[in-house]
Amino acid sequence: EAGVTQSPTHLIKTRGQQATLRCSPISGHTSVYWYQQALGLGLQFLLWYDEGEERNRGNFPPRFSGRQFPNYSSELNVNALELEDSALYLCASSFRVKANQPQHFGDGTRLSIL
Amino acid sequence: KNEVEQSPQNLTAQEGEFITINCSYSVGISALHWLQQHPGGGIVSLFMLSSGKKKHGRLIATINIQEKHSSLHITASHPRDSAVYICAVENYGGSQGNLIFGKGTKLSVKP
Repeated sequence: EAGVTQSPTHLIKTRGQQATLRCSPISGHTSVYWYQQALGLGLQFLLWYDEGEERNRGNFPPRFSGRQFPNYSSELNVNALELEDSALYLCASSFRVKANQPQHFGDGTRLSIL
Repeated sequence: KNEVEQSPQNLTAQEGEFITINCSYSVGISALHWLQQHPGGGIVSLFMLSSGKKKHGRLIATINIQEKHSSLHITASHPRDSAVYICAVENYGGSQGNLIFGKGTKLSVKP
């Protein structure tokens, strides 16, 4: 069974540009979560999608957005990139939250802002 | 004060030693997770528990809901156990669906 896959592995952008990160969940998982891990900081929750809808978002500005497609894959978009957006972005997937299922993580996309 | 506190921040052990990592939380939770993050960044879910104790190989996780405390134990530690161990909680209520993370414990096991 394929795990959670994220692309690209690395992404280099400059300030002001836009970045798009992609995530494919484990087959059968309908929930996708996005997390940010900035250097020296712990993991922080960004967004949660389930069944195509945004269910919750963390304390991040609106330039962080995303969507979930009918096949449950997801995109995270970051507009007007700032230097402090440099971080490892992790995607996780699970069965629906009500089932209280563990989250399975991808290997992440490392975003570097120059 | 962080909602999830881990101790110690850093831990160095000799191969074979028994290791304990602690996690305290201040919010009501529906579940607690222990995660392992290797230097490359990928995260592996070790345990999800809401009560009692779970065991998988040399790893044991316990949780005391009344005391809002969990421990992760590693028996007969090995250099391949070297990683960052992260405690995370699922907060029922306003933060439903997402995890709140501790800052992690960096474990280094020397041969």
